[in-house]
Amino acid sequence: ETGVTQTPRHLVMGMTNKKSLKCEQHLGHNAMYWYKQSAKKPLELMFVYSLEERVENNSVPSRFSPECPNSSHLFLHLHTLQPEDSALYLCASSQEAGVNTEAFFGQGTRLTVV
Amino acid sequence: AQSVTQLGSHVSVSEGALVLLRCNYSSSVPPYLFWYVQYPNQGLQLLLKYTSAATLVKGINGFEAEFKKSETSFHLTKPSAHMSDAAEYFCAVRRPYGQNFVFGPGTRLSVLP
Repeated sequence: ETGVTQTPRHLVMGMTNKKSLKCEQHLGHNAMYWYKQSAKKPLELMFVYSLEERVENNSVPSRFSPECPNSSHLFLHLHTLQPEDSALYLCASSQEAGVNTEAFFGQGTRLTVV
Repeated sequence: AQSVTQLGSHVSVSEGALVLLRCNYSSSVPPYLFWYVQYPNQGLQLLLKYTSAATLVKGINGFEAEFKKSETSFHLTKPSAHMSDAAEYFCAVRRPYGQNFVFGPGTRLSVLP
């Protein structure tokens, strides 16, 4: 248990569906991240929120839409996805700066697009 | 810009043998460095971190790593491999006052009986 909870753990969706991934942390962190992990590819940073403002958007297609309503919650809204979007989506949180600056990861959501 | 390279996408060792996983980084400023472990269908778990204190860092599960500035390296070692060490290992770098973590491509460790 890392203190970062992701739901759901598994998701199967059709290409025309709309779904959302949820991430919650109660560690008092002020930065939150979405990563995509595909088979045989490095971890891809998708979005970074710091103090609830988006500070990084790594050329992610608009079919992925993040939302950070407060410092404890992060969502990833999905619509009209493609099969190549199937992957493990990882949420993480950290303090923005300081000595204790490691990222804490959730268990991930295994997404399958059919 | 920061980057991380991990030599060897797959490393196999026998149970009880030394584990050595290599990590080299590039950074314009002295970075923070991390090793994470990932078991199948799980998130990443922190093994250890270097944040400019002692250069030899001890982590969980008997792992340790040494920061060598002259070699820009942060290799992970364990004296004696256990079957439960079989997993994917990621090295990561972060600037002290930056937000982003840059991860290496990972090394899959197999432990043979």
